[in-house]
Amino acid sequence: DAKTTQPPSMDCAEGRAANLPCNHSTISGNEYVYWYRQIHSQGPQYIIHGLKNNETNEMASLIITEDRKSSTLILPHATLRDTAVYYCIVRVAYPRAGNNRKLIWGLGTSLAVNP
Amino acid sequence: DSGVTQTPKHLITATGQRVTLRCSPRSGDLSVYWYQQSLDQGLQFLIQYYNGEERAKGNILERFSAQQFPDLHSELNLSSLELGDSALYFCASSVAMGEAPQDTQYFGPGTRLTVL
Repeated sequence: DAKTTQPPSMDCAEGRAANLPCNHSTISGNEYVYWYRQIHSQGPQYIIHGLKNNETNEMASLIITEDRKSSTLILPHATLRDTAVYYCIVRVAYPRAGNNRKLIWGLGTSLAVNP
Repeated sequence: DSGVTQTPKHLITATGQRVTLRCSPRSGDLSVYWYQQSLDQGLQFLIQYYNGEERAKGNILERFSAQQFPDLHSELNLSSLELGDSALYFCASSVAMGEAPQDTQYFGPGTRLTVL
């Protein structure tokens, strides 16, 4: 599975959009990008995933560059409750080997939403 | 609330002891995954079970073992505990084997294990 690079920390003002970048320059054609977040030692929460098209759901939007080497998670109107560590993960779809089903977690980006 | 439950929430024990962590997946989910998260570390995948069978194995120590029962709940057994085993242990579940892109993992609240 490809590795990802994220900034260790970011700040955002409450009510503004939070744009969290992720670099996955070695991503392969059948690898998806997933975003999870973890609010202070709670269980990680799934946010969104995508392959190459931009995706949007009730929580966030995912923008993937045309070359798929990077992506941005957008929280359109950040609130204090969005303060968390955000993880960007890439994983191959329908892996042949069993261990490729696992998610490989980095250290993520610690997002602080300030009032 | 993800629908995944874990017990106990906190566990304090001594070195050399053995503990069992329990996880109940979301209703209808067949896969259970176990992860370990040490202080200020990312999550480390330990093991996956699908419908009672082991499907994938990560960096799980030989002192650790797991199983998934016919009712699909899972238990993670940690034995000969060491100070370094202190961590958060998360269980996740997914509908199927976790291969399809949309077969996302939903996490429980975790068990905080402290080994003294």
